[in-house]
Amino acid sequence: AQSVTQLGSHVSVSEGALVLLRCNYSSSVPPYLFWYVQYPNQGLQLLLKYTSAATLVKGINGFEAEFKKSETSFHLTKPSAHMSDAAEYFCAVSNQAGTALIFGKGTTLSVSS
Amino acid sequence: GAVVSQHPSRVICKSGTSVKIECRSLDFQATTMFWYRQFPKQSLMLMATSNEGSKATYEQGVEKDKFLINHASLTLSTLTVTSAHPEDSSFYICSVRQDSSGANVLTFGAGSRLTVL
Repeated sequence: AQSVTQLGSHVSVSEGALVLLRCNYSSSVPPYLFWYVQYPNQGLQLLLKYTSAATLVKGINGFEAEFKKSETSFHLTKPSAHMSDAAEYFCAVSNQAGTALIFGKGTTLSVSS
Repeated sequence: GAVVSQHPSRVICKSGTSVKIECRSLDFQATTMFWYRQFPKQSLMLMATSNEGSKATYEQGVEKDKFLINHASLTLSTLTVTSAHPEDSSFYICSVRQDSSGANVLTFGAGSRLTVL
């Protein structure tokens, strides 16, 4: 079985500060890993994905994530937060068989000026 | 990438009535669609996998007779909440799997917020 744990349900940063959202996964097979962002009352938008290629994955809006197998982690970072980054962020995992994504509980990112 | 349209975006209904939510893949033929449910400030929980031309596969704990899923064509899947009750109030989101890339990327609809009075 696969699972995802997002550490910290709420992260607050100042505008311009580093954003770090943590995600650890559990999978019995090589995982596919994803980060999605959700704005209020909207669906999910894909930020980036890891599919066994490069371990450092760059996504949209300046976000990136690094796959660390030894730590079973896939943390999301952004060097400098913008006010528009305030949203809910979900880490997700799936296996190579193409099953549905399993989501973490989400992390709410707040950005203050 | 795929464009997924969900309708309606918001619906309010009386307890005991049925509500149908549509999920359309506008530019991609989808043999598989997924239906998720999201409670306020919580994560997405997979309800069922919708397969074109066959019966949906439901997750454990999801009542298949209450949440009817039909995937009659490669571009349309519907979720019908039958005899809705207030506890069915939730945000329902569909997603389409883009498996041509081999990366199992899901594109999500904008969601449908159901409120049962």
